[in-house]
Amino acid sequence: NAGVTQTPKFQVLKTGQSMTLQCAQDMNHEYMSWYRQDPGMGLRLIHYSVGAGITDQGEVPNGYNVSRSTTEDFPLRLLSAAPSQTSVYFCASSYLTDTYGYTFGSGTRLTVV
Amino acid sequence: AQSVSQHNHHVILSEAASLELGCNYSYGGTVNLFWYVQYPGQHLQLLLKYFSGDPLVKGIKGFEAEFIKSKFSFNLRKPSVQWSDTAEYFCAVGEGSGTYKYIFGTGTRLKVLA
Repeated sequence: NAGVTQTPKFQVLKTGQSMTLQCAQDMNHEYMSWYRQDPGMGLRLIHYSVGAGITDQGEVPNGYNVSRSTTEDFPLRLLSAAPSQTSVYFCASSYLTDTYGYTFGSGTRLTVV
Repeated sequence: AQSVSQHNHHVILSEAASLELGCNYSYGGTVNLFWYVQYPGQHLQLLLKYFSGDPLVKGIKGFEAEFIKSKFSFNLRKPSVQWSDTAEYFCAVGEGSGTYKYIFGTGTRLKVLA
């Protein structure tokens, strides 16, 4: 099925550990983005990309890195996990000249202890 | 910077009651407007969208929204809610036509009592 696939669905990390959240889409969308969702704060943009080799920072980029080597994949790296990064992370994609809105992945629930 | 406000953070309704969720934005130019719904434990799904034309937009599951440019608003409505509408609802706004960057509101958590 076409869509956005995120892995893992759940993850527990210890403070200071690093990890990569995976996001892949098979719709040939140019635009991909990462959001974190926290209670009472809605969705906040972490990083986004408008195509392979092009990334930019969003509203809350500190502590996260991204790269876009292919159109399909947009991994999010936590360099040194902190309890403040406990959140639900969503990947979303769309065409650049979009009229359909975003397609969201099913999310990754991350807990940092 | 543009902002999106959803003033109702939590709403509790009985089945068959009417629903209206507020969404206001601050950008004065052309906007694209969306409502997304997130059912418990699931990802966000598009409910409806407005790009141009008729300011009254109809979406899935009986939802509709009205774009009032003079009030910078895009309120979501449903005449009669069901228990299955229990979810969190997010308004999103994009500046300009054909934009791919949207700003999301903080969400409204709706609980419908059977």
